[in-house]
Amino acid sequence: DAGVIQSPRHEVTEMGQEVTLRCKPISGHNSLFWYRQTMMRGLELLIYFNNNVPIDDSGMPEDRFSAKMPNASFSTLKIQPSEPRDSAVYFCASSLRGDTEAFFGQGTRLTVV
Amino acid sequence: QQQVKQSPQSLIVQKGGISIINCAYENTAFDYFPWYQQFPGKGPALLIAIRPDVSEKKEGRFTISFNKSAKQFSLHIMDSQPGDSATYFCAASRVAAGNKLTFGGGTRVLVKP
Repeated sequence: DAGVIQSPRHEVTEMGQEVTLRCKPISGHNSLFWYRQTMMRGLELLIYFNNNVPIDDSGMPEDRFSAKMPNASFSTLKIQPSEPRDSAVYFCASSLRGDTEAFFGQGTRLTVV
Repeated sequence: QQQVKQSPQSLIVQKGGISIINCAYENTAFDYFPWYQQFPGKGPALLIAIRPDVSEKKEGRFTISFNKSAKQFSLHIMDSQPGDSATYFCAASRVAAGNKLTFGGGTRVLVKP
């Protein structure tokens, strides 16, 4: 398996634009997580899906952020409109429900100018 | 509220030396305590993990010590190598709640040859 695949690896966008980050979890995994990493706040959980259903979105910072998981092999994190303070590295991770190890993708580095 | 506190923020150790990183948690419901290793430009990867029913776990040069009463755990890297230079994150989660990870702030370790 190629692991968790995220795209794009880098994204530079202008303030106010819509940004969509994509994630393909490891085949067979039924839990998916989106994390954000910044210097100020470290690694923080944004949202958690189980069997494609959002279970905990308490970490989503604002209504500008939304996430979907239309099927077991794809998830998106959308920011609309984007702001400079959204600049961060966004990680997607997946695991088997009931298993403990979470596998992380390589991340998307987002820069909002 | 930061639920997992990690120290030190950075660490320099000579090759062959011991690196020690400490973490403290607040939520007594946590029952899974992993350490993740992250190299620049990569996502975090699981290094070693422990459950609260044991006080120590060793895997090669890496050892976790766990003190349930003090709500503290630590990572020891024995015989540190330049290839160990990375950022290390402790984390905690409650497995039954979906294993959502709460991360410490990270420790940047530099092993000098």
